[in-house]
Amino acid sequence: QVQLQESGPGLVKPSETLSLTCTVSAYSISSGYLWGWIRQPPGKGLEWIGNIHHTGTVYYNPSLESRVTISVDTSKNQFSLRLSSVTAADTAVYFCARDSGSGSCYSYWGQGALVTVSS
Amino acid sequence: IVLTQSPGTLSLSPGERATLSCRASQSVYTSHFAWYQQKPGQAPRLLIYGSSSRATGIPDRFSGSGSGTDFTLTISRLEPEDFAVYFCQQYLGSPYTFGQGTKLEIK
Repeated sequence: QVQLQESGPGLVKPSETLSLTCTVSAYSISSGYLWGWIRQPPGKGLEWIGNIHHTGTVYYNPSLESRVTISVDTSKNQFSLRLSSVTAADTAVYFCARDSGSGSCYSYWGQGALVTVSS
Repeated sequence: IVLTQSPGTLSLSPGERATLSCRASQSVYTSHFAWYQQKPGQAPRLLIYGSSSRATGIPDRFSGSGSGTDFTLTISRLEPEDFAVYFCQQYLGSPYTFGQGTKLEIK
């Protein structure tokens, strides 16, 4: 069973950079699929941030593209999210996920990591 | 593509049939549409992909239908564990978008 686990600071100051890592187990990222980040502000809906393929090809939400970087480290079986110049509006639970193989809907999800932007 | 779900809240009793709707602002055809279930404090769970295909392990009381701009998730006979929030998603084109959610609550 594929498992994903987010890790990173739970508190980030305004204007700084949010950094999260997703560690994948029971499946090698190098074997394929798209790996994504999705976020959910407290009590609200879901927002797609972006995807990365094991080759490093990335796809970003245009509304976040200027601030987002998603990267992959196949040697550690991890992929990462960096979001720069954060504001309170970036406070959310951040999920990492793996697509289903039938397009970018997600079959496997991490438990989520709450990141709060506050001074 | 904006997805609008209705109703916002649906109050039903166990054993009843639930019908949840999602309307897209433009056509997403059938192959790039999904439904998820989310319970408090948990990640979303993929129920339906490709508009009507059940994901692995999903009971057959869950079914999806629709095409173009109008999609429906039907739960034929509600079990106590089905009361949750449901989201639709289109993945036809970037940015992939989700509906705002329908809360299915016990009446």
